[in-house]
Amino acid sequence: GENVEQHPSTLSVQEGDSAVIKCTYSDSASNYFPWYKQELGKRPQLIIDIRSNVGEKKDQRIAVTLNKTAKHFSLHITETQPEDSAVYFCAASKEENNFNKFYFGSGTKLNVKP
Amino acid sequence: GAVVSQHPSWVICKSGTSVKIECRSLDFQATTMFWYRQFPKQSLMLMATSNEGSKATYEQGVEKDKFLINHASLTLSTLTVTSAHPEDSSFYICSAPNGGWSTFGSGTRLTVV
Repeated sequence: GENVEQHPSTLSVQEGDSAVIKCTYSDSASNYFPWYKQELGKRPQLIIDIRSNVGEKKDQRIAVTLNKTAKHFSLHITETQPEDSAVYFCAASKEENNFNKFYFGSGTKLNVKP
Repeated sequence: GAVVSQHPSWVICKSGTSVKIECRSLDFQATTMFWYRQFPKQSLMLMATSNEGSKATYEQGVEKDKFLINHASLTLSTLTVTSAHPEDSSFYICSAPNGGWSTFGSGTRLTVV
């Protein structure tokens, strides 16, 4: 099956700085890569995603890059704010039987210091 | 947007009892539901995939007799933790694919005492 690795496990940045979280995956057939933000005890919330036919996607302060050859993708958050503090999960998936089965990374706890 | 309603949000049960967790898709049909378990400070681990009208498929290492999954209709999937033990205490969360996206339930925090 798919194996997703995520680094770093914890990340502490100063407000206004940028944060980068990196993930690698093992299954070259994976073609959809979402990123989720999870606050303590709550459901994961999709914040951005990218499909294998593009190399980069940006949404305001958040961007994701994908390198299919190297099988890695990254989340970039610019101008971080305290409310960005949460656990972030990357995931990789491929369509199986008309749906995507997700495999999650181990998570990164982001702490933005005011 | 698409919503998956999950109940209960938290439950405390005695060791040896069974607990049922329900996930309902409110405005779309979920022929498939993914069930995840998340231990404190860890990632979401896929436990099983339920499919309406057929048997659930379980990930390696997940006991199918302990975690009973039923997908009774196109809008309801249930996970029953049978003979729960303290080590089953965890955050259980369901997710339904919907048009290429994945909509998560709100999660159930199970504590077995």
